[in-house]
Amino acid sequence: KAGVTQTPRYLIKTRGQQVTLSCSPISGHRSVSWYQQTPGQGLQFLFEYFSETQRNKGNFPGRFSGRQFSNSRSEMNVSTLELGDSALYLCASSLGDRVTNEKLFFGSGTQLSVL
Amino acid sequence: AQTVTQSQPEMSVQEAETVTLSCTYDTSENNYYLFWYKQPPSRQMILVIRQEAYKQQNATENRFSVNFQKAAKSFSLKISDSQLGDTAMYFCASNFGNEKLTFGTGTRLTIIP
Repeated sequence: KAGVTQTPRYLIKTRGQQVTLSCSPISGHRSVSWYQQTPGQGLQFLFEYFSETQRNKGNFPGRFSGRQFSNSRSEMNVSTLELGDSALYLCASSLGDRVTNEKLFFGSGTQLSVL
Repeated sequence: AQTVTQSQPEMSVQEAETVTLSCTYDTSENNYYLFWYKQPPSRQMILVIRQEAYKQQNATENRFSVNFQKAAKSFSLKISDSQLGDTAMYFCASNFGNEKLTFGTGTRLTIIP
């Protein structure tokens, strides 16, 4: 059974650009969560989707958005990139509607560098 | 505020020895889960062990066990018979009764051959 797949692994962008990251959950998983990991702020929750609906959102500006498709694959978008958006973006999937009470499976992340 | 604190930024231990990583948290919730995650150089977060707050019995997974003290809001991880493959960043986390995880700042553990 394939794990959580995140693409691309690495991405380099310049300030002001926008970026889209992709996450394919484990087959059968309906919940997808996104986290940002930086040396300064650590791991912070971005948002969580279940059955194509955003159920939870962290404290990030509106430049950060996401969506989930009918096959549970999820994308997150960051518009008007800032230097501080440089981070490892981790996606996690789980089976059902009690996401953090179940085992979360993480991908290997997308390392975004903003120049 | 709901917080998770890991006060040991780095630790090292000889192979085959036992090591304990500390974690404290703060919440007013009564029902929540606590987790320890491992992040090796591959960057993938791997669940090591989890504990339900309403269960008094400490969770155990092979060489990994926890010491959960609910009143003290303490959740330490003990790794027995440490192996080179245990070298990684270890993060303590909790859901605090909601749908997102709050992580500590991590402890970098190095197992010395």
